Amino acid sequence: AQTVTQSQPEMSVQEAETVTLSCTYDTSESDYYLFWYKQPPSRQMILVIRQEAYKQQNATENRFSVNFQKAAKSFSLKISDSQLGDAAMYFCAYRSGPLVGNEKLTFGTGTRLTIIP
Amino acid sequence: DTEVTQTPKHLVMGMTNKKSLKCEQHMGHRAMYWYKQKAKKPPELMFVYSYEKLSINESVPSRFSPECPNSSLLNLHLHALQPEDSALYLCASSQDQLFRSNQPQHFGDGTRLSIL
Repeated sequence: AQTVTQSQPEMSVQEAETVTLSCTYDTSESDYYLFWYKQPPSRQMILVIRQEAYKQQNATENRFSVNFQKAAKSFSLKISDSQLGDAAMYFCAYRSGPLVGNEKLTFGTGTRLTIIP
Repeated sequence: DTEVTQTPKHLVMGMTNKKSLKCEQHMGHRAMYWYKQKAKKPPELMFVYSYEKLSINESVPSRFSPECPNSSLLNLHLHALQPEDSALYLCASSQDQLFRSNQPQHFGDGTRLSIL
């Protein structure tokens, strides 16, 4: 079974600064997907960024980027130019490859990010 | 605005009541999910409906029963719930899995359920 570990229960960052959230996972599979979701107090889970394991290039979405280290099974999220609206709980999630029946998401325990004005 | 609509947003019920949570998506997704989320915890998968096939997390008690009337609707029927069932219930959907795809799950706003 796959496991996802987020070792930072809470993080804080000054507005406009950069912060990195860590995520490691354990799997014996070679084909899988990784995601970062944010959950603000409004409670909706919102996709931040996604990464396919077969792609070596790190995914980037505007101010959000990942550092994907497949050999180390590490998938950290970097938020640049932090904004007040980035304050949320961030979950790292793992999903097995594209076959039907592999739809389950395994979540980490989350990191609560606070933005300091 | 979310593309996955859940109703109601809040529900308070007694342990002897029967109620249903509703989830609807119009994105043509073929997989839909129910998650349970306790405070300060990650979501836990309860059920998956994928290509008309139901997959169940074996740890989910029988007082929760899913129903999929059609490919865009997924209901969760509740009966004789316990106080520990109080939680946020999230519905999600995702695109076809038949092709190589990193299509993520899209979540609704959730239903906050309180059992008295």
